[in-house]
Amino acid sequence: KQEVTQIPAALSVPEGENLVLNCSFTDSAIYNLQWFRQDPGKGLTSLLLIQSSQREQTSGRLNASLDKSSGRSTLYIAASQPGDSATYLCAVRPLPNTGNQFYFGTGTSLTVIP
Amino acid sequence: DVKVTQSSRYLVKRTGEKVFLECVQDMDHENMFWYRQDPGLGLRLIYFSYDVKMKEKGDIPEGYSVSREKKERFSLILESASTNQTSMYLCASSLWQGGTEAFFGQGTRLTVV
Repeated sequence: KQEVTQIPAALSVPEGENLVLNCSFTDSAIYNLQWFRQDPGKGLTSLLLIQSSQREQTSGRLNASLDKSSGRSTLYIAASQPGDSATYLCAVRPLPNTGNQFYFGTGTSLTVIP
Repeated sequence: DVKVTQSSRYLVKRTGEKVFLECVQDMDHENMFWYRQDPGLGLRLIYFSYDVKMKEKGDIPEGYSVSREKKERFSLILESASTNQTSMYLCASSLWQGGTEAFFGQGTRLTVV
């Protein structure tokens, strides 16, 4: 069964700092990897989707990379802002015939201090 | 703008009650999912459906059932609510094709007293 791990569980940084969140997964047979943001008490908002054939995706100040062979993805946030404070989750989708669900990490709780 | 809508943001129910959580998506997605989210345990899949009237058990189906009579609607049913079902419930949908992203609803915080 796919296991997804996110380290660290919590991170606190001063405003303006660049930061990297990590996601690792045990089975490289994935279709894609998706990064989400979750604000307290809310649902998940999709940030970036990386297909298994891609190495990275960018959206504004966010850049996600994928190294499928090593089972790792990183989410890079440039010039962090207090509004970036949230929990960030990664999820992997396995290849067909190995399951149709998304497997989630437990998230990294980010606090950006003004 | 794509949308997954859960019928309630907050619910308080009594032990033993039958509880219905409703989810509607407007994207013509084949797949729909119900997850629960608990501190320290992350998101765990309860059930998913890949077509009307089709369903498959996820990792924690005990105490739950589902219904999908129409493509856009996926209902989660707690047959007899218990306090250990107090949780955040999240509905999601996606296209059948594996390369597409999942979209989530705003979540339902259920408290069973």
